[in-house]
Amino acid sequence: SYELTQPPSVSVSPGQTARITCSGDKLGEKYGCWYQQKPGQSPVLVMYQDSKRPSGIPERFSGSNSGNTATLTISGTQAMDEADYYCQAWDSSTAVFGGGTKLTVL
Amino acid sequence: QVQLVQSGAEVKKPGASVKVSCKVSGYTFTKYAMHWVRQAPGQRLEWMGWIDVGKGHTKYSQKLQGRVTITRDTSASTAYMELSSLRSEDTAVYYCARAPRVVAAIGDWFDPWGQGTLVTVSS
Repeated sequence: SYELTQPPSVSVSPGQTARITCSGDKLGEKYGCWYQQKPGQSPVLVMYQDSKRPSGIPERFSGSNSGNTATLTISGTQAMDEADYYCQAWDSSTAVFGGGTKLTVL
Repeated sequence: QVQLVQSGAEVKKPGASVKVSCKVSGYTFTKYAMHWVRQAPGQRLEWMGWIDVGKGHTKYSQKLQGRVTITRDTSASTAYMELSSLRSEDTAVYYCARAPRVVAAIGDWFDPWGQGTLVTVSS
């Protein structure tokens, strides 16, 4: 079965750039999206079709997808961005999620 | 605004079934497919399946095929997910999440999500 791999944790200082990666076989040939989940809350879509931001998501969030890796980039990271982030893609009509990355804003 | 409101927490014994509801408002129910996703404690999100709300067609994950049933009541703008033969590994928060189109397609995303329903399976 298809697998998406994320680093368990990423740390960043306020105001710096955070990059969260998601790796999968030929992931760049699929559309990827990203969800933010804060403790005790439901996931929120922050990026879809690799690099499109839903309405209401700040411009500091951006995305890319090429080769075997999709990347969610948060520029000028703020304390409110501290959360778990999950990537998601489709394989053979099945939605697959990454294991999640805990973003810590130190 | 678009809202997906799920039913409350459930505690079930192994072998039992559970049915979780997801009532929507703020949009035309039949114009968007609905997915179900679950998250066991400390685990990644797991896609369970989806329903074409207009026609009632469904597709389930291979892992849960045979135990999961997704239905809808268009008159009540409500989708349902029923999971049978429960086991301890089914303890999780279950979410409904809307698709961006009437028939789910590869490349789709989930937005928005319901608030989640905790299902605990314990003897």
